[in-house]
Amino acid sequence: QKEVEQNSGPLSVPEGAIASLNCTYSDRGSQSFFWYRQYSGKSPELIMFIYSNGDKEDGRFTAQLNKASQYVSLLIRDSQPSDSATYLCAVNAGGFKTIFGAGTRLFVKA
Amino acid sequence: DVKVTQSSRYLVKRTGEKVFLECVQDMDHENMFWYRQDPGLGLRLIYFSYDVKMKEKGDIPEGYSVSREKKERFSLILESASTNQTSMYLCASSFREEAHFGDGTRLSIL
Repeated sequence: QKEVEQNSGPLSVPEGAIASLNCTYSDRGSQSFFWYRQYSGKSPELIMFIYSNGDKEDGRFTAQLNKASQYVSLLIRDSQPSDSATYLCAVNAGGFKTIFGAGTRLFVKA
Repeated sequence: DVKVTQSSRYLVKRTGEKVFLECVQDMDHENMFWYRQDPGLGLRLIYFSYDVKMKEKGDIPEGYSVSREKKERFSLILESASTNQTSMYLCASSFREEAHFGDGTRLSIL
């Protein structure tokens, strides 16, 4: 059974701090990695994707991928209360199926 | 922007009823998916379809069936609803691996 593991949280950070969200996956053949944000009562929305080892930056968000360690993370710089949401890690090992983690709840305190 | 529309936001049905959940996307995506989301379990794939009239079982297909007669429409059918099918149901479509989700249907089976 292919798995994607995330700490369920909640992760609480003060406004302006860096929030670090982590994810591990079991399938070494995984090729594509995604971070979705889901506000309470809303559907998930894609915020970042990464395919290659290393860092990928988009505004205040940085995705980090380490395939050797089967580890992907999301850093949110200058965290804002509006970043409070559940963050879902998703992994695709090819084909049509993407496996989602259960999500990490993030609270940013004003 | 991709628009994925689910027919109902909230639905209440009785045990044993046949339930239809409808999903329509307007971006001509080939791939469509049905997930259910439960607390602590994350998103679990029920069925997906990569073309009209084509369907593949996901991780938890038992008790469900699907229909895709037209490219833009993907229907989830609960053959005989049971209380353990009370959940949030999310439809998604994708061109490659990046999924775009509908707003979800919160289904309660009494």
